[in-house]
Amino acid sequence: EDKVVQSPLSLVVHEGDTVTLNCSYEVTNFRSLLWYKQEKKAPTFLFMLTSSGIEKKSGRLSSILDKKELFSILNITATQTGDSAVYLCAVEAGFNKFYFGSGTKLNVKP
Amino acid sequence: DAGVTQSPTHLIKTRGQQVTLRCSPKSGHDTVSWYQQALGQGPQFIFQYYEEEERQRGNFPDRFSGHQFPNYSSELNVNALLLGDSALYLCASSPEGQPNTGELFFGEGSRLTVL
Repeated sequence: EDKVVQSPLSLVVHEGDTVTLNCSYEVTNFRSLLWYKQEKKAPTFLFMLTSSGIEKKSGRLSSILDKKELFSILNITATQTGDSAVYLCAVEAGFNKFYFGSGTKLNVKP
Repeated sequence: DAGVTQSPTHLIKTRGQQVTLRCSPKSGHDTVSWYQQALGQGPQFIFQYYEEEERQRGNFPDRFSGHQFPNYSSELNVNALLLGDSALYLCASSPEGQPNTGELFFGEGSRLTVL
């Protein structure tokens, strides 16, 4: 059975802290792994990863994929209150068919 | 450029009723996928439509059905509603063909409450 597991389920940090969110997966026909940020309703796209060991970076956010160990991490440095959200990991297994994890709820306190 | 739009945003139904949710994809996108997101959970794949056909389906019963129109918009129908169908229903669109980013563009969702 295809599955995506995220950890931790929730996290509380203070502004300026660095956080690491984890995503492990077991899927057939792996095509890509994506990270999304969900603040209210519509998840918004952060990164897509297809190759192992290549870091994707956008400002204070970065992510990397390990296809051998079947996991990905999302790092957020110098966290801000605006980073508070649920971070979703999704794995594409089959064309445009995505399995999502339960998400990590991040709360950044001032 | 309009993004993915969904309607209605909120609705309340009672058990046994039927509901229809609607989605218009982002301009230039021809593939529409539907997801169910229960409270505190990640989205779960219901099905995907392309060229007016259901192309892929997740682990959902036949009470969940859909349709895609020639203009690529889509409907999700749920019959014989159960309390457990209460969730946020997300529509996501993507462009067909290669190359593509694999990125899904999500609408704001329809919040269904079944009483």
